[in-house]
Amino acid sequence: DTAVSQTPKYLVTQMGNDKSIKCEQNLGHDTMYWYKQDSKKFLKIMFSYNNKELIINETVPNRFSPKSPDKAHLNLHINSLELGDSAVYFCASRDTDTQYFGPGTRLTVL
Amino acid sequence: GNSVTQMEGPVTLSEEAFLTINCTYTATGYPSLFWYVQYPGEGLQLLLKATKADDKGSNKGFEATYRKETTSFHLEKGSVQVSDSAVYFCALGRTGNQFYFGTGTSLTVIP
Repeated sequence: DTAVSQTPKYLVTQMGNDKSIKCEQNLGHDTMYWYKQDSKKFLKIMFSYNNKELIINETVPNRFSPKSPDKAHLNLHINSLELGDSAVYFCASRDTDTQYFGPGTRLTVL
Repeated sequence: GNSVTQMEGPVTLSEEAFLTINCTYTATGYPSLFWYVQYPGEGLQLLLKATKADDKGSNKGFEATYRKETTSFHLEKGSVQVSDSAVYFCALGRTGNQFYFGTGTSLTVIP
């Protein structure tokens, strides 16, 4: 009964490849997020969706494309992966004022 | 604008020592304030929160008080344990979708 789940947990791939990370929440929340955490633990918001509608789109390369098929799912597709994309990516969902995070996906680009 | 500034780490303490991690914020209006904890290899978990001035959030022996006059939300624990070793994030949330995190403070507790 995991509240926010992400797959895969680890992703190792070559530069130039395209990959996707999936996120699902069973909390019934309308709002979901993607964050990127770098090696120094700094968290950067990337996107936010509210009920399948894109609300926040921070300065992120357009190689990153979020997709929300329904309000319980928010997937992240990354094209033409680069070395600098290596990081931990977290999905989160939000009720009125609190965010609930998934376990993270560690992406390593070789 | 809105922002969160928290004490830089890393912080290393002996078991049973007193912990303070400072957090100050800049915000318009009346945000909610949070502390999140990230254990090694895991996602962020909500540790405690406060939604209005003078509220005290508490959980697992940790406390933080929402001080509007000093725009602060410092995290404290009277006696830390080895299991408290983690990265702690102060955060500010507004109605609407935006959320602001501090840079994180790494805590290591040694036996």
